[in-house]
Amino acid sequence: ILNVEQSPQSLHVQEGDSTNFTCSFPSSNFYALHWYRWETAKSPEALFVMTLNGDEKKKGRISATLNTKEGYSYLYIKGSQPEDSATYLCAFLMDSSYKLIFGSGTRLLVRP
Amino acid sequence: DADVTQTPRNRITKTGKRIMLECSQTKGHDRMYWYRQDPGLGLRLIYYSFDVKDINKGEISDGYSVSRQAQAKFSLSLESAIPNQTALYFCATSVAGGLSEQYFGPGTRLTVT
Repeated sequence: ILNVEQSPQSLHVQEGDSTNFTCSFPSSNFYALHWYRWETAKSPEALFVMTLNGDEKKKGRISATLNTKEGYSYLYIKGSQPEDSATYLCAFLMDSSYKLIFGSGTRLLVRP
Repeated sequence: DADVTQTPRNRITKTGKRIMLECSQTKGHDRMYWYRQDPGLGLRLIYYSFDVKDINKGEISDGYSVSRQAQAKFSLSLESAIPNQTALYFCATSVAGGLSEQYFGPGTRLTVT
């Protein structure tokens, strides 16, 4: 059974704090790693699709890194703002499948 | 207008009833997916379709069926709803395989009593 783990499950930070969370996935047969941002009562929206070991992607204050050999990805948010409050989902894709395996998410709450 | 729409947005139904959840997309994508989300769990794939004639089971397809009526429409049916099918259901679309991001609908919250 393929398992994608995200930690922590939830995180409360103050506005202005920088934060990061982890997605762990199987290191064998890696094909792609997706990150999605899911605000309450809205649809999940893609942040990044990452494929290469050592890859780093950035979108505004949010960035992500990828280590396929050890099976983890970090998502960083610099200077968190209340509007960053959301659940951040990662999803792993194995090369033999077109099916994404989602982690249970990290729920971030940024206090003003 | 939203690119991926789902109807209904909320539904309460009784055990044993048949229910259909509908998904429509205007993105022109070939691939469509149905997921369910339960508290504390990740999104789990129910069914996926690569085109109108290609439909595949996901990891939790038991108790569900789907119909791909057209490129733009993908429906999920619960033939005889049971309480443990109470969940948030998402439809999603994508251009191609794993290197393409998926675009999600707003979700349907289904409660089976």
